[in-house]
Amino acid sequence: AQSVTQLGSHVSVSEGALVLLRCNYSSSVPPYLFWYVQYPNQGLQLLLKYTTGATLVKGINGFEAEFKKSETSFHLTKPSAHMSDAAEYFCAVSPGSSNTGKLIFGQGTTLQVKP
Amino acid sequence: EPEVTQTPSHQVTQMGQEVILRCVPISNHLYFYWYRQILGQKVEFLVSFYNNEISEKSEIFDDQFSVERPDGSNFTLKIRSTKLEDSAMYFCASSERPHEQYFGPGTRLTVT
Repeated sequence: AQSVTQLGSHVSVSEGALVLLRCNYSSSVPPYLFWYVQYPNQGLQLLLKYTTGATLVKGINGFEAEFKKSETSFHLTKPSAHMSDAAEYFCAVSPGSSNTGKLIFGQGTTLQVKP
Repeated sequence: EPEVTQTPSHQVTQMGQEVILRCVPISNHLYFYWYRQILGQKVEFLVSFYNNEISEKSEIFDDQFSVERPDGSNFTLKIRSTKLEDSAMYFCASSERPHEQYFGPGTRLTVT
């Protein structure tokens, strides 16, 4: 069965510092991978996704993630944090064999950005 | 930019009552989903819907739950007899193809 693990429920960085949010998955078939962001009192917004092709994917707001099959990881990074990046971030996997697109989410990581 | 909308934003109901949560997906999307997030827990898949029928459902989605697309624009989730443990944020999502879902802002359901 597919699962997603996000290491660190809370991550705190200073404004301008590197953001690194970790995500590992387990899947018996090549999955599709996603990062979503949730701002307070809002829904989930798609940041970026990996389906096939280039393993380094770029998303909105300067975020990017790299699919590493050998490490079963899909970590999210941003070179320089901004105060507006403070939010909850969810990694999700959709089994590549699924034709329904069902998403399996990690527990989420709350990103705090300090001035 | 088109977006998924959900109503109401907050629903309070008494245990045993029926509730209907409503969603308007993005207009050209063909795949529809419901997820829920119990406070402090992860977002969980409930059901997917395509071509006017359920394509996949989770163990959570038991006989108390049903979904419907009553017309060309709405997608509803009905809980027949609510329990305290149904209290959660319910998210609707839609997609043109599988694997790229757009989420609504959610409906917070509180069962008292």
